Amino acid sequence: EDKVVQSPLSLVVHEGDTVTLNCSYEVTNFRSLLWYKQEKKAPTFLFMLTSSGIEKKSGRLSSILDKKELFSILNITATQTGDSAVYLCAVEAASGTYKYIFGTGTRLKVLA
Amino acid sequence: DAGITQSPRHKVTETGTPVTLRCHQTENHRYMYWYRQDPGHGLRLIHYSYGVKDTDKGEVSDGYSVSRSKTEDFLLTLESATSSQTSVYFCAISESVLTSLNEQFFGPGTRLTVL
Repeated sequence: EDKVVQSPLSLVVHEGDTVTLNCSYEVTNFRSLLWYKQEKKAPTFLFMLTSSGIEKKSGRLSSILDKKELFSILNITATQTGDSAVYLCAVEAASGTYKYIFGTGTRLKVLA
Repeated sequence: DAGITQSPRHKVTETGTPVTLRCHQTENHRYMYWYRQDPGHGLRLIHYSYGVKDTDKGEVSDGYSVSRSKTEDFLLTLESATSSQTSVYFCAISESVLTSLNEQFFGPGTRLTVL
C-alpha cells in the first residue's frame, strides 16, 4: 500500500530558528514529490522534486529529495511567525493515471 | 492563484439530503481531483478525473459520486449525506494540457456540515 509519512507531527520554535521537516514515502511508480504550505485555507504549492540530490530553493525555504532512501526534507531558515502553518508532503504516483498520496502534515508554530 | 473556484464555500445540510459541490477551473488542466480533509487524516482522495467523462475512485469514494461533462467542471455528489461526511472538501487540478506541468493546485475549499 502506498504511504507517505511526515515527521515530526508538530513543532514549536522561536523566530530565527532553523527547522527541518521530514517526509518519507513508499510508493510504486514514483513520479514526483511535492511540498505545500497550508494556513487556514487551501494548500499552496511550494516545491516539486523529481530528481535526487538537486536542491530547490525559494527564499528561506529549501528542499531536497533522496530517491534511494525514499525521503525528502524541507528546511526553513531564520523562521518568522508567518511561517506558522501545516506543511504537507505529497507523492505523485504514475500507474496508468496520476495520483497524489498525502502525508498528514507537520504543524509548525513559530513564536515571536 | 490558479483559476479554481468552488461552490458553495459553506453548506449546512441535514442527514439524508442530496448535496452537490461544484469545482470550476479556467486553467485548461486535464486532471481534476476531489479531496476531503479531516483532523488526523490529512488530505484523502475521493475521486479524480483524467478527462471529460473519465473518472476513477480514490481511497474514500464510498457514498460519493462525480461527473465531468466539461473540461472546466467537476461535480461531487453526496447522494444521501451522512454526519460522517462533515468535512472540508478541496478540489484540485493538475497537468496543464499546454505545458504538461504536473504541479497540483487547490481550490479554496468547501466546508460542509451534515447535521
